[in-house]
Amino acid sequence: QQQVKQSPQSLIVQKGGISIINCAYENTAFDYFPWYQQFPGKGPALLIAIRPDVSEKKEGRFTISFNKSAKQFSLHIMDSQPGDSATYFCAVLSGYSTLTFGKGTMLLVSP
Amino acid sequence: DAGVIQSPRHEVTEMGQEVTLRCKPISGHDYLFWYRQTMMRGLELLIYFNNNVPIDDSGMPEDRFSAKMPNASFSTLKIQPSEPRDSAVYFCASSLGQIDGYTFGSGTRLTVV
Repeated sequence: QQQVKQSPQSLIVQKGGISIINCAYENTAFDYFPWYQQFPGKGPALLIAIRPDVSEKKEGRFTISFNKSAKQFSLHIMDSQPGDSATYFCAVLSGYSTLTFGKGTMLLVSP
Repeated sequence: DAGVIQSPRHEVTEMGQEVTLRCKPISGHDYLFWYRQTMMRGLELLIYFNNNVPIDDSGMPEDRFSAKMPNASFSTLKIQPSEPRDSAVYFCASSLGQIDGYTFGSGTRLTVV
């Protein structure tokens, strides 16, 4: 059973546009929702994370929106740049589990 | 801190050979995780340790896989004998506590021919 479902699988956005990646989860026990960014040949790196006591968190051009009732969270990349081209993974975590990842979204930002 | 350090970066081996992957976690981190990444299955947790003790190895695919953590600064993942379907990128990650994000190494790309 997939604990977190991520969409879309791939995404092409023009430079300056908004990239949106979505994730849905089932287990309400999860209490930490990070997004990881992975460049080719590198390990996943923590980009931004949110806990369920807030509905939004913003760090620079990256924003997480969290909808607790719908059990969904999303990553928004504003003013997308070619350097943002990477694979993005959502993940879920609770104090009783380990980090479980979505399948990933390959983002390509065209110049 | 230099981050999580994995070696080797690339490993090519013949089917049936023993393969050992190595990891040095971030100093002070008390959790260590081994993940495997493939196109088909994404990032899968193989095993994790807390204070050098294996906690959950239910993700280890077969008895051919084994992992050890003899001290707080070193862990190994061993595959014996290796098979072509073991070809993947293997990541080690560490964390301080279990309620926060993990720091990943750069991975070992394993190719079994």
